[in-house]
Parts: sequence; C-alpha cells; structure tokens
Amino acid sequence: QSALTQPASVSGSPGQSITISCTGTSSDVGDYNFVSWYQQHPGKAPKLMIFDVSNRPSGVSNRFSGSKSGNTASLTISGLQTEDEADYYCSSYTTSTTKVVFGGGTKLTVL
Amino acid sequence: EVQLVESGGGLVQPGGSLRLSCVASGFTFNHYNMNWVRQAPGKGLEWVSYISSGSSTIYYADSVKGRFTISRDNAKNSLFLQMNSLRDEDTAVYYCARGVGPRASDYWGQGTLVTVSS
Repeated sequence: QSALTQPASVSGSPGQSITISCTGTSSDVGDYNFVSWYQQHPGKAPKLMIFDVSNRPSGVSNRFSGSKSGNTASLTISGLQTEDEADYYCSSYTTSTTKVVFGGGTKLTVL
Repeated sequence: EVQLVESGGGLVQPGGSLRLSCVASGFTFNHYNMNWVRQAPGKGLEWVSYISSGSSTIYYADSVKGRFTISRDNAKNSLFLQMNSLRDEDTAVYYCARGVGPRASDYWGQGTLVTVSS
C-alpha cells in the first residue's frame, strides 16, 4: 500500500480537462509545499511535470497545473491530448525517516 | 543535453550484492543533488536514496536502510548505489535521477534492471 492515495484510473476526451487527486497526511502533503507530479509512458522513464505543488519545469506545457488544499494535492490537465495518455505519479517530502513518498499512480486514458 | 546512464544491473541471488553506477553528462554534476528511485515490475515508483552535491547529506528509505549505500565521485561525474543483502522484493528497475533536493527529480536515466532470484 502506497503512502499517498491516488485514483487507479481517470479518463477524458480530447479537449476536456481532468483532475487527478493525491491524498496524504499532515506528515507529508499537509506539512510541506513539496508535492511533485510525474508522467510516465509505458517502457519510459518518468518525466517531472510539476514540482513544489504548482511549479512547472521549463518545457512542460502550461496545460498542466498543480494545486494543494490541506492534505490533498491535485494535478489538472486541460485541453487533453492523446499524447497525455500515461501513468501519473505524485510524490511528497515527508517528516518520516523515509524522506520521500510516492502515490500508487493513476492511469490516464484519453478516449 | 542532460544525460544520465545507469549500469550494473543484472541477476543476483537472494543475499547477494550488486553495485549500480550512473554516469552524468550535460550539466555540472558537482552542483546537483542526486536520487535513486526504483520501480518493481508492473508497480509504482519508490524513492530509494538521496545524496547532496557534496555528499554531506544522505538519506535512505526505511526499506533499504542498513543494506544499501549511496555515494558519488564528482571528479568522474558518477553516482553509485551499493546494494547488499538483496531480497526478492528489491527486484526493480533502478533509476538515477537529478535531484531538486530530495523532494523532486527533474531528469531521469533510462534505468537498469535488478533481478533478485534463486
């Protein structure tokens, strides 16, 4: 069981918007603004999409945005494109001795 | 262009040891923190270990503490992960990643597969 809870799957149609949630606790998501989101296509390495809750690395489309409220962080993808179909993982810094925890991942299907 | 190339994976028996390497290029290696992250077959991501740019700060996941050792050689632009007392559950693709502190990884290698099996 992963430390952070994500829905197993979400889906949307091209052009629509979707939101993926990531629920933690007051020891991780709720205690730090250090939530990141990664995109992973099958057989590929993960790609950083969002760091520190809402910051986009250079080169990442502004269709991707992040936010946080309490112990839950969210990734929103607007204007869905077929190439957005992938697995998405959230992570957070944590007060525990294991410094970083991940969510179990969410499979995004673009119908 | 940032590149991270892992090597050293393979098949090892339970209780055995393996040393992973990661060679970095395209950035000033000694300015950046580094992470190891792993992914068991068909499973999610698991953070393994972190080392600061000058090796002064090191963290491990509880699942590998006491068995794995992270290190780096800045003169050779290289990151290492010494893995001892390997268990079946250590079977995974191991990724080397450039760190934004330990809290995020902005560039990743393609990974090296470690299989622990008798």
